[in-house]
Amino acid sequence: DTGVSQDPRHKITKRGQNVTFRCDPISEHNRLYWYRQTLGQGPEFLTYFQNEAQLEKSRLLSDRFSAERPKGSFSTLEIQRTEQGDSAMYLCASTVWGTQTQYFGPGTRLTVL
Amino acid sequence: AQRVTQPEKLLSVFKGAPVELKCNYSYSGSPELFWYVQYSRQRLQLLLRHISRESIKGFTADLNKGETSFHLKKPFAQEEDSAMYYCALSGEGAQKLVFGQGTRLTINP
Repeated sequence: DTGVSQDPRHKITKRGQNVTFRCDPISEHNRLYWYRQTLGQGPEFLTYFQNEAQLEKSRLLSDRFSAERPKGSFSTLEIQRTEQGDSAMYLCASTVWGTQTQYFGPGTRLTVL
Repeated sequence: AQRVTQPEKLLSVFKGAPVELKCNYSYSGSPELFWYVQYSRQRLQLLLRHISRESIKGFTADLNKGETSFHLKKPFAQEEDSAMYYCALSGEGAQKLVFGQGTRLTINP
């Protein structure tokens, strides 16, 4: 197990297109978090799952964003009708419920032209 | 509201000098505080957490509830300490992390 993985690592898209990112957490980690990081800022929480249940969504997550974790393992984050303001690094992290240490993936850098 | 403030975006010190990265927080309950570090071209990783009260790579951080601070300190900086450092807070429940803006630490030879 090499840790949390994310795919793709980079994505360039045109405004208005839909994009989907994938996150594979560390095996047996039942909590999975999505964060967004823009230039010069720290990561900001978007949403998290415990197993397959999405338990909290940030107000940053507009209706154009949707996340799933269908079998409680990998997760996808989809952005519909992308806007230039969506350009950011999207980070995924996982942990075991009851522990506090979150393990981060390498991130997916999205550029919307 | 949960908030983490790192007042210094950039910090530059000479090798062998002491380092202190400041972090202040705002949270009404009992938070858990962390320092995460990101070395060049690497992913974000945990450096230390206040609850474990340990020293990692020579760094320590003490939670001061009166001053709502969690400053990161190291007595003698090394060149390999150059990195981006983020202070983060976790509250009850979701245990989501709230991050500060980060401090870029540069250690000069």
